[in-house]
Amino acid sequence: DAKTTQPPSMDCAEGRAANLPCNHSTISGNEYVYWYRQIHSQGPQYIIHGLKNNETNEMASLIITEDRKSSTLILPHATLRDTAVYYCIVRYNSGNTPLVFGKGTRLSVIA
Amino acid sequence: DTGVSQDPRHKITKRGQNVTFRCDPISEHNRLYWYRQTLGQGPEFLTYFQNEAQLEKSRLLSDRFSAERPKGSFSTLEIQRTEQGDSAMYLCASSLAVNANYGYTFGSGTRLTVV
Repeated sequence: DAKTTQPPSMDCAEGRAANLPCNHSTISGNEYVYWYRQIHSQGPQYIIHGLKNNETNEMASLIITEDRKSSTLILPHATLRDTAVYYCIVRYNSGNTPLVFGKGTRLSVIA
Repeated sequence: DTGVSQDPRHKITKRGQNVTFRCDPISEHNRLYWYRQTLGQGPEFLTYFQNEAQLEKSRLLSDRFSAERPKGSFSTLEIQRTEQGDSAMYLCASSLAVNANYGYTFGSGTRLTVV
């Protein structure tokens, strides 16, 4: 699976959009981009995933660049409950390889 | 269904003792995963099952670690002769093999402290 690079930490004001970047320059054509987050003392939680097109669900939006070498997770109106570590993972969608987590980005939402 | 359950939530043990953790996955999920997480790091994959078959084991899973899923439902992770380096959060997750698109559901973990 391709490697991802994320900033170690970010701050965001409550109510503003949080934009979390991820670089995955070695991504291959069949690899998906997944985002998970982990709130303190809990297990990771699935947020969203995508292949080429931008995706949106009730939690977030995922913007993938045209060359697929980077992506951005957008939390449109961050709340204090969004404070967590956010993991960007690139993985084949066959389901046969387990998720491999990096260190992620620690997002702090500030009142 | 209340999601993935792990028991106990916390375990303190003396070095050299054996410990066993239990994971109850979401009932219709046929895949079950074990991860370990130390402070400041992301979760590290240990092993996974499809039904009762153990399909993959990480090199992190030393001979002192053993995992079972005897009837394809709940799973246990045993650590023999615990060492201080085993102190970590042990996370369990489950998924549907045919629906890898929708990710894993994780439990809240078992925090192990070896003293």
